[in-house]
Amino acid sequence: NAGVTQTPKFQVLKTGQSMTLQCAQDMNHEYMSWYRQDPGMGLRLIHYSVGAGITDQGEVPNGYNVSRSTTEDFPLRLLSAAPSQTSVYFCASSTSSWPYNEQFFGPGTRLTVL
Amino acid sequence: AQKITQTQPGMFVQEKEAVTLDCTYDTSDQSYGLFWYKQPSSGEMIFLIYQGSYDEQNATEGRYSLNFQKARKSANLVISASQLGDSAMYFCAMREGRDSGGGADGLTFGKGTHLIIQP
Repeated sequence: NAGVTQTPKFQVLKTGQSMTLQCAQDMNHEYMSWYRQDPGMGLRLIHYSVGAGITDQGEVPNGYNVSRSTTEDFPLRLLSAAPSQTSVYFCASSTSSWPYNEQFFGPGTRLTVL
Repeated sequence: AQKITQTQPGMFVQEKEAVTLDCTYDTSDQSYGLFWYKQPSSGEMIFLIYQGSYDEQNATEGRYSLNFQKARKSANLVISASQLGDSAMYFCAMREGRDSGGGADGLTFGKGTHLIIQP
Protein backbone atom coordinates (compact mmCIF):
# COMPACT_ATOMS: atom_id res chain seq x y z
CA ASN A 1 0.00 0.00 0.00
CA ALA A 2 1.23 3.47 -0.86
CA GLY A 3 -0.88 5.00 1.93
CA VAL A 4 -1.65 8.68 1.39
CA THR A 5 0.11 10.33 -1.52
CA GLN A 6 0.28 14.01 -2.37
CA THR A 7 1.47 15.82 -5.47
CA PRO A 8 3.31 18.04 -6.04
CA LYS A 9 5.81 18.15 -3.18
CA PHE A 10 6.75 21.74 -3.88
CA GLN A 11 5.00 24.49 -5.82
CA VAL A 12 5.56 28.19 -6.43
CA LEU A 13 2.66 30.28 -7.68
CA LYS A 14 2.13 33.92 -8.53
CA THR A 15 -0.69 35.83 -6.92
CA GLY A 16 -3.92 35.19 -8.77
CA GLN A 17 -2.91 31.88 -10.31
CA SER A 18 -4.96 28.77 -9.75
CA MET A 19 -3.85 25.24 -9.03
CA THR A 20 -4.97 21.91 -7.65
CA LEU A 21 -3.17 19.96 -4.95
CA GLN A 22 -3.71 16.26 -5.46
CA CYS A 23 -4.33 13.73 -2.72
CA ALA A 24 -4.99 10.02 -3.07
CA GLN A 25 -5.26 7.09 -0.66
CA ASP A 26 -5.39 3.37 -1.30
CA MET A 27 -6.70 2.22 2.09
CA ASN A 28 -10.41 2.50 1.21
CA HIS A 29 -10.86 5.14 3.90
CA GLU A 30 -14.17 6.95 4.03
CA TYR A 31 -12.83 10.06 5.72
CA MET A 32 -10.36 12.45 4.07
CA SER A 33 -9.26 15.92 5.04
CA TRP A 34 -6.94 18.80 4.24
CA TYR A 35 -4.89 20.76 6.76
CA ARG A 36 -2.51 23.66 6.45
CA GLN A 37 0.50 24.25 8.67
CA ASP A 38 1.94 27.72 9.15
CA PRO A 39 5.17 28.53 11.03
CA GLY A 40 4.78 28.34 14.79
CA MET A 41 1.35 26.82 14.55
CA GLY A 42 -0.19 23.43 14.54
CA LEU A 43 -2.20 22.08 11.66
CA ARG A 44 -5.56 23.70 10.92
CA LEU A 45 -8.44 21.95 9.19
CA ILE A 46 -9.43 23.39 5.79
CA HIS A 47 -12.03 20.98 4.39
CA TYR A 48 -13.00 17.41 4.99
CA SER A 49 -15.09 14.65 3.45
CA VAL A 50 -16.86 11.72 5.08
CA GLY A 51 -17.42 9.90 1.81
CA ALA A 52 -17.70 10.27 -1.94
CA GLY A 53 -19.95 13.19 -2.83
CA ILE A 54 -19.91 14.65 0.71
CA THR A 55 -17.67 17.54 1.74
CA ASP A 56 -17.77 20.13 4.48
CA GLN A 57 -15.83 23.13 5.72
CA GLY A 58 -13.24 23.11 8.44
CA GLU A 59 -11.73 25.92 10.46
CA VAL A 60 -10.09 27.86 7.59
CA PRO A 61 -12.00 27.11 4.33
CA ASN A 62 -11.88 30.53 2.63
CA GLY A 63 -10.02 30.54 -0.68
CA TYR A 64 -10.17 26.77 -1.11
CA ASN A 65 -12.54 24.40 -2.88
CA VAL A 66 -12.80 20.64 -2.67
CA SER A 67 -14.77 17.85 -4.26
CA ARG A 68 -14.87 14.10 -3.70
CA SER A 69 -15.98 12.15 -6.74
CA THR A 70 -14.27 8.90 -5.73
CA THR A 71 -13.31 7.25 -2.43
CA GLU A 72 -9.63 7.43 -3.35
CA ASP A 73 -9.15 11.06 -4.38
CA PHE A 74 -9.67 14.37 -2.60
CA PRO A 75 -8.17 17.31 -4.52
CA LEU A 76 -7.80 20.78 -3.03
CA ARG A 77 -8.26 23.73 -5.39
CA LEU A 78 -6.93 27.22 -5.02
CA LEU A 79 -8.93 29.37 -7.44
CA SER A 80 -6.94 32.60 -7.06
CA ALA A 81 -3.81 32.15 -4.97
CA ALA A 82 -2.86 34.80 -2.41
CA PRO A 83 0.39 35.22 -0.44
CA SER A 84 -1.57 34.35 2.73
CA GLN A 85 -1.96 30.84 1.31
CA THR A 86 1.78 30.23 1.50
CA SER A 87 1.92 27.19 3.75
CA VAL A 88 2.55 23.48 3.99
CA TYR A 89 -0.53 21.46 3.08
CA PHE A 90 -1.23 18.02 4.45
CA CYS A 91 -3.86 15.57 3.30
CA ALA A 92 -5.04 12.90 5.73
CA SER A 93 -7.35 9.92 5.65
CA SER A 94 -8.92 7.57 8.15
CA THR A 95 -11.75 5.18 8.69
CA SER A 96 -14.86 6.84 10.00
CA SER A 97 -15.08 4.68 13.11
CA TRP A 98 -15.62 6.67 16.23
CA PRO A 99 -14.09 7.45 18.64
CA TYR A 100 -10.85 5.99 17.42
CA ASN A 101 -9.68 7.14 14.06
CA GLU A 102 -5.96 7.41 13.58
CA GLN A 103 -5.45 9.83 10.76
CA PHE A 104 -2.83 8.82 8.23
CA PHE A 105 -1.05 11.84 6.82
CA GLY A 106 0.50 12.36 3.43
CA PRO A 107 4.03 13.78 3.10
CA GLY A 108 2.82 17.33 2.53
CA THR A 109 2.99 19.95 -0.23
CA ARG A 110 5.02 23.09 0.38
CA LEU A 111 3.32 25.96 -1.44
CA THR A 112 4.78 29.45 -1.91
CA VAL A 113 2.65 32.25 -3.36
CA LEU A 114 4.60 35.26 -4.57
CA ALA B 1 -10.17 30.19 24.03
CA GLN B 2 -7.74 27.68 22.63
CA LYS B 3 -9.01 24.13 22.54
CA ILE B 4 -5.53 22.61 22.79
CA THR B 5 -2.80 24.30 24.80
CA GLN B 6 0.81 23.23 24.78
CA THR B 7 2.68 25.49 27.17
CA GLN B 8 6.24 24.41 26.36
CA PRO B 9 7.41 25.94 23.06
CA GLY B 10 10.79 24.23 23.42
CA MET B 11 12.53 21.72 25.66
CA PHE B 12 16.11 20.51 26.02
CA VAL B 13 16.54 17.08 27.59
CA GLN B 14 19.56 14.87 28.22
CA GLU B 15 19.62 11.59 26.36
CA LYS B 16 18.18 8.64 28.32
CA GLU B 17 16.14 10.90 30.60
CA ALA B 18 12.35 10.71 30.70
CA VAL B 19 10.42 13.56 29.11
CA THR B 20 6.95 14.91 29.84
CA LEU B 21 5.28 17.09 27.24
CA ASP B 22 2.29 19.00 28.53
CA CYS B 23 -1.11 19.26 26.87
CA THR B 24 -4.37 20.65 28.20
CA TYR B 25 -7.61 20.67 26.29
CA ASP B 26 -10.99 22.32 26.39
CA THR B 27 -14.21 20.65 25.33
CA SER B 28 -17.76 20.35 26.56
CA ASP B 29 -18.23 16.99 24.83
CA GLN B 30 -18.32 13.79 26.85
CA SER B 31 -16.95 11.71 23.99
CA TYR B 32 -13.67 12.78 22.43
CA GLY B 33 -10.28 11.46 21.42
CA LEU B 34 -6.81 12.78 22.18
CA PHE B 35 -3.82 12.19 19.95
CA TRP B 36 -0.10 12.87 19.91
CA TYR B 37 1.84 13.27 16.68
CA LYS B 38 5.57 13.62 16.08
CA GLN B 39 6.93 15.79 13.29
CA PRO B 40 10.66 15.35 12.63
CA SER B 41 12.65 17.88 10.66
CA SER B 42 11.80 15.96 7.48
CA GLY B 43 8.23 17.19 7.89
CA GLU B 44 6.02 14.12 7.97
CA MET B 45 3.38 13.63 10.64
CA ILE B 46 3.86 10.42 12.63
CA PHE B 47 1.08 9.11 14.85
CA LEU B 48 2.31 8.16 18.33
CA ILE B 49 -0.56 7.44 20.69
CA TYR B 50 -4.29 7.80 21.24
CA GLN B 51 -6.51 8.14 24.33
CA GLY B 52 -10.28 7.97 24.26
CA SER B 53 -12.28 9.96 26.77
CA TYR B 54 -13.95 6.80 28.07
CA ASP B 55 -10.74 4.80 28.35
CA GLU B 56 -10.14 4.05 32.01
CA GLN B 57 -6.48 3.22 31.65
CA ASN B 58 -3.73 5.44 30.36
CA ALA B 59 -2.65 4.55 26.84
CA THR B 60 0.83 3.14 26.25
CA GLU B 61 2.75 2.43 23.04
CA GLY B 62 6.29 1.23 23.57
CA ARG B 63 8.29 4.10 25.11
CA TYR B 64 5.30 6.44 24.86
CA SER B 65 2.59 6.76 27.45
CA LEU B 66 -0.21 9.24 27.86
CA ASN B 67 -0.88 10.60 31.33
CA PHE B 68 -4.62 11.23 31.08
CA GLN B 69 -6.20 13.28 33.86
CA LYS B 70 -9.77 13.81 32.75
CA ALA B 71 -10.90 16.08 35.59
CA ARG B 72 -7.97 18.40 34.91
CA LYS B 73 -8.45 18.08 31.13
CA SER B 74 -4.83 17.13 30.80
CA ALA B 75 -3.23 14.65 28.36
CA ASN B 76 0.52 14.77 28.84
CA LEU B 77 2.85 12.66 26.71
CA VAL B 78 5.60 10.82 28.55
CA ILE B 79 8.61 9.51 26.66
CA SER B 80 10.73 7.12 28.68
CA ALA B 81 14.48 6.76 28.11
CA SER B 82 14.73 9.48 25.49
CA GLN B 83 16.87 8.95 22.39
CA LEU B 84 18.55 11.35 19.98
CA GLY B 85 16.00 10.33 17.35
CA ASP B 86 13.22 11.71 19.55
CA SER B 87 14.30 15.25 18.66
CA ALA B 88 11.30 16.68 16.79
CA MET B 89 8.16 18.78 17.07
CA TYR B 90 5.39 17.14 19.06
CA PHE B 91 1.74 18.01 18.58
CA CYS B 92 -1.20 17.26 20.81
CA ALA B 93 -4.55 17.06 19.01
CA MET B 94 -8.18 16.40 19.82
CA ARG B 95 -11.15 15.11 17.91
CA GLU B 96 -14.36 16.16 19.58
CA GLY B 97 -17.49 14.11 19.62
CA ARG B 98 -20.86 15.12 18.31
CA ASP B 99 -22.57 15.51 21.70
CA SER B 100 -23.42 19.14 21.10
CA GLY B 101 -23.97 18.74 17.37
CA GLY B 102 -22.46 20.80 14.60
CA GLY B 103 -18.83 21.81 14.32
CA ALA B 104 -16.23 20.61 11.90
CA ASP B 105 -15.24 16.96 12.14
CA GLY B 106 -11.49 16.85 12.28
CA LEU B 107 -8.49 17.21 14.52
CA THR B 108 -7.74 20.40 16.44
CA PHE B 109 -4.01 20.78 17.04
CA GLY B 110 -1.96 22.62 19.61
CA LYS B 111 0.96 24.78 18.55
CA GLY B 112 3.47 22.12 19.38
CA THR B 113 6.57 21.58 21.52
CA HIS B 114 10.01 21.50 19.97
CA LEU B 115 11.93 18.77 21.79
CA ILE B 116 15.70 18.57 21.50
CA ILE B 117 17.53 15.59 22.97
CA GLN B 118 21.14 16.34 23.87
CA PRO B 119 23.85 13.64 24.03
